[in-house]
Amino acid sequence: AQSVAQPEDQVNVAEGNPLTVKCTYSVSGNPYLFWYVQYPNRGLQFLLKYITGDNLVKGSYGFEAEFNKSQTSFHLKKPSALVSDSALYFCAVRGEGRNTDKLIFGTGTRLQVFP
Amino acid sequence: EAQVTQNPRYLITVTGKKLTVTCSQNMNHEYMSWYRQDPGLGLRQIYYSMNVEVTDKGDVPEGYKVSRKEKRNFPLILESPSPNQTSLYFCASSLMGRGVGGEKLFFGSGTQLSVL
Repeated sequence: AQSVAQPEDQVNVAEGNPLTVKCTYSVSGNPYLFWYVQYPNRGLQFLLKYITGDNLVKGSYGFEAEFNKSQTSFHLKKPSALVSDSALYFCAVRGEGRNTDKLIFGTGTRLQVFP
Repeated sequence: EAQVTQNPRYLITVTGKKLTVTCSQNMNHEYMSWYRQDPGLGLRQIYYSMNVEVTDKGDVPEGYKVSRKEKRNFPLILESPSPNQTSLYFCASSLMGRGVGGEKLFFGSGTQLSVL
């Protein structure tokens, strides 16, 4: 079955430092991968997606994600973190077979950026 | 402004008292979906709709009902709420009718439901 895993419940980083939020996936075919961000008291917002093409995908707010097929990973990155990046981040993968109409979300990683 | 609007934002109710959470989108999206968010479990899909009068079960449909009589509205109905339905609920929509393969989801701001 398709799934995503976010191994870290929380990531702490100092402002100005690079950040990485990890995601690994499990699908049998070619993955459609997404990152969403949830700010406090808000719904999720789309950050970026990978469907095909360049393994480095650029998204909103200076975020990027690297697709690595051999490691089945899709880690979210940003070269220089901001305090305003503090939020809950979700990785997601599109379902396969009968489930192509749905996104399967990870459990989320809380990013805390300290001044 | 393009948006998904959910109401109410907060709701406290008692076991067994029927309630409806409304969801409306103004983007002419075909696809709409309901999720619940619980700590440590992420988002789980409750029901989704590919278009008007077309709905289907997600991963956790028990205890919920939906309807899609109009393209813009997708209400979530709890006929007899129970405490295990206490959760944060999100409505979402997407452009593509045949699934969300390449299209991003637009989310509402959420409804925090407490069932006592």
